[in-house]
Amino acid sequence: DIQMTQSPSTLSASVGDRVTLTCRASQTISSWLAWYQQKPGKAPKLLIYDASTLESGVPSRFSGSGSGTEFTLTISSLQPDDFATYYCQQYNSYSAETFGQGTKVEIK
Amino acid sequence: QLQLQESGPGLVKPSETLSLTCTVSGGSVNSTTYYWGWIRQPPGRGLEWIGTMYYSGNTYYNPSLNSRVTVSVDTSKNQFSLKLTSVTAADTAVYYCASNSIMITFEGVVTPAPIDYWGQGTLVIVSS
Repeated sequence: DIQMTQSPSTLSASVGDRVTLTCRASQTISSWLAWYQQKPGKAPKLLIYDASTLESGVPSRFSGSGSGTEFTLTISSLQPDDFATYYCQQYNSYSAETFGQGTKVEIK
Repeated sequence: QLQLQESGPGLVKPSETLSLTCTVSGGSVNSTTYYWGWIRQPPGRGLEWIGTMYYSGNTYYNPSLNSRVTVSVDTSKNQFSLKLTSVTAADTAVYYCASNSIMITFEGVVTPAPIDYWGQGTLVIVSS
């Protein structure tokens, strides 16, 4: 089974900061990776798919990169609305560890 | 624009079967462009994928839940459902229904891709 590991678990940052979140797969998943944003009490929202394609309507300050086993989500200038938990999800093969454990972006 | 809405009991007794339904509007469960599935999130914890189904009957289940899970589609009601048997307190979670877009492998197999629509989620507590 493919395992997904996100780092860090928590990231403290300020408005305007550039932040980078990492997601690693235990084996290659090509570019079959999505990123989601979840706010408390809400369903997750798709931000990026195919590792680097921005979902329609998502601000351009979000970007994704990577392939194979290592992936990043970058927020170029953190906005107040961006404080949330972010999850990566691989869809190369569906297994118990489809989602990473999440990275919480909190206010510094 | 798809809209998904979960429904079902909010309290289930241990050892019983958890049953939830997701009503689809703005699209058809017979669509060739979506997989239909379920994800859950225990309180204060991360997302856990449960399973997903294509209109043709092709299904994928989380191996850790496989023996207890069934996802099915009711085309007459434009709904899909989740059944999870022999529940314990560890199954207490917010359950989300969701739709995946699809991708086609080199072998021509239609597989689930990213989740682009989610229900609002429903909390199910397992307790006597």
